[in-house]
Amino acid sequence: QITLKESGPTLVKPTQTLTLTCAFSGFSLNISGGGVGWIRQPPGKALEWLALISWDDDKRYSPSLRNRLTITKDTSKNQVVLSMTNMDPLDTATYYCAHSLESRGILTGYYSTSNWFDPWGQGTLVTVSS
Amino acid sequence: SYELTQPPSVSVSPGQTARIACSGDALPKKYAYWYQQKSGQAPVVVIYEDNKRPSGIPERFSGSGSGTTATLTITGAQVEDEGDYYCYSTDSSGKGVFGGGTKLTVL
Repeated sequence: QITLKESGPTLVKPTQTLTLTCAFSGFSLNISGGGVGWIRQPPGKALEWLALISWDDDKRYSPSLRNRLTITKDTSKNQVVLSMTNMDPLDTATYYCAHSLESRGILTGYYSTSNWFDPWGQGTLVTVSS
Repeated sequence: SYELTQPPSVSVSPGQTARIACSGDALPKKYAYWYQQKSGQAPVVVIYEDNKRPSGIPERFSGSGSGTTATLTITGAQVEDEGDYYCYSTDSSGKGVFGGGTKLTVL
């Protein structure tokens, strides 16, 4: 059974750096095909994809937040860490980490790969306020 | 940047069929996924790789695609199916994208 749990501060001040940890069990980031992603959701708003790290240390970031995000993994501790710099009240959201799987197939004649998420952690609400 | 477009809301009576569409230019070449999110809970995948249903998801949930549109269909919607539904896919560089979400009301 795969489980993930997010941890970190619930309150940060504007301009500070947010550091969130995702502790997981039931899979290993040493094994081909696995990964962990981060997604956030401002109160009452839609989900937003933030970042993804794969078993081979491939890292992908949201284009709009790329300059502020860093994702790393510690395979010995089964943890993934997301850092976001220069926090703003607009960054107030529930932050989720999730196990990432890879899909591969031929779609309309093209070889396609996609990373998707299942399952997700319970999420952690981070409020940005002075 | 790549976008997925969904209707903000869909409303059906219990037992009716609910359909939620998701449009995106890359969908012919990329898989679509559907997530259900109930109030105060983390999202759960109900359809993956366009039309596959995970174990434990009721058979009334199905997915399909045609061109640049993916569709989630709930045949015989139940009150417990109420919630927000998000389509998800990836862009050409492998970055994920969520649609804006659709609030499903069953009453």
